[in-house]
Amino acid sequence: SQQGEEDPQALSIQEGENATMNCSYKTSINNLQWYRQNSGRGLVHLILIRSNEREKHSGRLRVTLDTSKKSSSLLITASRAADTASYFCAPVGFNNAGNMLTFGGGTRLMVKP
Amino acid sequence: EPEVTQTPSHQVTQMGQEVILRCVPISNHLYFYWYRQILGQKVEFLVSFYNNEISEKSEIFDDQFSVERPDGSNFTLKIRSTKLEDSAMYFCASRLNQETQYFGPGTRLLVL
Repeated sequence: SQQGEEDPQALSIQEGENATMNCSYKTSINNLQWYRQNSGRGLVHLILIRSNEREKHSGRLRVTLDTSKKSSSLLITASRAADTASYFCAPVGFNNAGNMLTFGGGTRLMVKP
Repeated sequence: EPEVTQTPSHQVTQMGQEVILRCVPISNHLYFYWYRQILGQKVEFLVSFYNNEISEKSEIFDDQFSVERPDGSNFTLKIRSTKLEDSAMYFCASRLNQETQYFGPGTRLLVL
C-alpha cells in the first residue's frame, strides 16, 4: 500500500474561515479517503473519492482529486471550533484488495473561536 | 448508529506480561483490522482479518502478536510478552464490503 503525505503539517485559522489541506501520493490509486482524528481518539471517515471522480461534496467538505498530479485536497468551508483535529488522507491502490490504510503525518488544524 | 467498541479504554501492564485487547466490530461487517499509534507518531497498520484468517500483516505484527475472532462478535489482539515499545494507542476497525473503515475509540496501552 502507499502512504499519502499531507500538507501543511499544521494550520491555524479563525472560526468562519475556510481550511484547505492537501495530499500527495506516489502511485496509481483506486480511491482516496480522508479521515479526521480528534486528539487521542479514533479516526472518523469523512469522505471517499474514486479515481474516476474529480470532485465530491459532503456537507461543508469538498474534496478534489487530480490523478495526473497525484494529489487531492480537502476544503472545509465556514470552519467551526469543533473542526479542530488532525486530518489524514489514505490513498488506496488497485493491488490493495485488503484495503489496508496507510496514513501520513496528517494536517493538524486548529480553528480559533 | 452502529459503532465499533473497544475494551478496555486504558490498560497498564508490566513488561513481559500478556495483554488482550478486545474489540466488538459492527455486527454485519466482514473485514477487521488492528492499527496502532505510538504517541506523537503516525497511525500504523498491524493486521487485517477476513473469513477467519489473517489476510495481511505488517512487519510490526511479529510472533508476539496474534488475533482471534473467538465468537461471532469479538475480535481480539493478543500481545504475548509486552515490551516497553508496545506502549501505544491500539485501534480496531471494521468494514462491510465498501471501502470505508469504521474505527473504534482505541485502547491506550502503557507498558512499564
